[in-house]
Amino acid sequence: RKEVEQDPGPFNVPEGATVAFNCTYSNSASQSFFWYRQDCRKEPKLLMSVYSSGNEDGRFTAQLNRASQYISLLIRDSKLSDSATYLCVVTSVNSGNTPLVFGKGTRLSVIA
Amino acid sequence: DARVTQTPRDKVTEMGQEVTMRCQPILGHNTVFWYRQTMMQGLELLAYFRNRAPLDDSGMPKDRFSAEMPDATLATLKIQPSEPRDSAVYFCASRGEARNTIYFGEGSWLTVV
Repeated sequence: RKEVEQDPGPFNVPEGATVAFNCTYSNSASQSFFWYRQDCRKEPKLLMSVYSSGNEDGRFTAQLNRASQYISLLIRDSKLSDSATYLCVVTSVNSGNTPLVFGKGTRLSVIA
Repeated sequence: DARVTQTPRDKVTEMGQEVTMRCQPILGHNTVFWYRQTMMQGLELLAYFRNRAPLDDSGMPKDRFSAEMPDATLATLKIQPSEPRDSAVYFCASRGEARNTIYFGEGSWLTVV
């Protein structure tokens, strides 16, 4: 089983739609969780961290369910500029010694 | 605006040739990662360093790949000899002490023909 699994998509949604991505991770020792965004032919960039209590940043909401080892990202009122690949990322401990493990990403296309 | 800098940006080379990719991490960042990205495998960790010491290179094919940090401002990834299956995007990323966020360079787009 892959350490981080995501539905690859693509998700094709109209502007203004709400879309949700899910991600599961296999390592129960995972401590830190993130969503990164990657545009075509660009590097991944941090979108947001995911906190145990859930967190929101504008139109984006991230949630974590430790019992089910599951992370989600919700995008409300989607914009054309949200079209990108969204990468789920976990790391096992809260320290500088551990690399981040990336899912393969979920591709989102927002259509006018 | 601090950035991770990678060279070359694009490289097309013939099978059997040596390829060297270079990375300058963000000043002050002490952990440096090399990732490879392909459509099939996604982002895979090849190697990483902390305070210039290699911590893990188990993701790297040892017979042809080597990674080094000659100094705190330079990390290198070398492939010798290169093969067509090495065609991928190679990302360098860096992280500061006690931080989890990593910052990626723009990547080196390698094609081996």
